[in-house]
Amino acid sequence: TQLLEQSPQFLSIQEGENLTVYCNSSSVFSSLQWYRQEPGEGPVLLVTVVTGGEVKKLKRLTFQFGDARKDSSLHITAAQPGDTGLYLCAGDTRGGSARQLTFGSGTQLTVLP
Amino acid sequence: KAGVTQTPRYLIKTRGQQVTLSCSPISGHRSVSWYQQTPGQGLQFLFEYFSETQRNKGNFPGRFSGRQFSNSRSEMNVSTLELGDSALYLCASSLGRGSTNEKLFFGSGTQLSVL
Repeated sequence: TQLLEQSPQFLSIQEGENLTVYCNSSSVFSSLQWYRQEPGEGPVLLVTVVTGGEVKKLKRLTFQFGDARKDSSLHITAAQPGDTGLYLCAGDTRGGSARQLTFGSGTQLTVLP
Repeated sequence: KAGVTQTPRYLIKTRGQQVTLSCSPISGHRSVSWYQQTPGQGLQFLFEYFSETQRNKGNFPGRFSGRQFSNSRSEMNVSTLELGDSALYLCASSLGRGSTNEKLFFGSGTQLSVL
């Protein structure tokens, strides 16, 4: 079983602070995705990282894929209340053209105004 | 473009009953995947269908089954419900071409409660 460990599990910060969420595995993934999920909704894809060492920026969010493609991080600069939600990382396990995502346990982020 | 639609939104069943959940993917998407989300186990992969064929399957008992129709709509069935089957069941659709960058779009889920 391939496991993805996310940390921290819970994070409560003040508006304007910076934060980093980590996603670690002992397995190599062909790609890794980050999602945000709000209550009562399904996860929404934020980014996909594919290449080891890759860094992608999405406004105030910076995503990094580890060189060995086993870990990833999400950094949020100057967090805002609208960033509140459950952040999930997901590694892609491929069986030919089939797709199976292994999800991390999630980081519940609360940004207080 | 309409998103992924799951029905019903909420469902309450009792132990031993069976249930069928429905998922309509985004138009043009041929792959439909199902996931179970619980507070304790998080999101777990159930199975993936592509062109009416199950292409991949997770580690769930045979009580969990699914199918896909020619219009790509999918249903999943859970028989002999157990209390532990209470969860949010999420459906996700994609083009299904196998590209690493292929985007997965999730529906809002069906919240199943087993009493």
